[in-house]
Amino acid sequence: GQQLNQSPQSMFIQEGEDVSMNCTSSSIFNTWLWYKQDPGEGPVLLIALYKAGELTSNGRLTAQFGITRKDSFLNISASIPSDVGIYFCAGYNTDKLIFGTGTRLQVFP
Amino acid sequence: DAGITQSPRHKVTETGTPVTLRCHQTENHRYMYWYRQDPGHGLRLIHYSYGVKDTDKGEVSDGYSVSRSKTEDFLLTLESATSSQTSVYFCAIPSSPRVSGANVLTFGAGSRLTVL
Repeated sequence: GQQLNQSPQSMFIQEGEDVSMNCTSSSIFNTWLWYKQDPGEGPVLLIALYKAGELTSNGRLTAQFGITRKDSFLNISASIPSDVGIYFCAGYNTDKLIFGTGTRLQVFP
Repeated sequence: DAGITQSPRHKVTETGTPVTLRCHQTENHRYMYWYRQDPGHGLRLIHYSYGVKDTDKGEVSDGYSVSRSKTEDFLLTLESATSSQTSVYFCAIPSSPRVSGANVLTFGAGSRLTVL
């Protein structure tokens, strides 16, 4: 099935550092979503993007909908320990929501 | 959080046995979804429902069946469980009652299934 290429697969960073991750696809999407999953829980929506070129922030998180509509980026500034988790991108096209493979983030004090 | 609960949260079963996972919502939404999550694959759609008795297949539907006899309940059944179906299963509903398509989803807490 169709999947999104999400990178990096994992990141180990120090508290206070900035984080960048991205998602690319060979297909065009109408909506890009970014989710975070804590251990033992379901994914929780962080940011939703609906227009090509759109840049949206949610606190320390900033995400962008790529101009080509085939990619999206998520940045986390000044990371803190509770940022630990798995981050998933998801692209919506016609009637399907396709998920990336996830970026596992570890933050060390 | 949206009113969505899954049961059981954990289950261990043996190969060849039937298993049913339940998703219950209190949002009265038409659409409900079942995903499975596996390392290296993210979340993949198994089946979804767009109303009572209305269901359709997702990308990894083989070996699974679903039923929706009431708006609030969406059941996922493994008729004869196999080890390849060891996974974490998530139910989801749209985040807004006004959203009709698979746009922004709210997920349940997951059901971890181990097939020995």
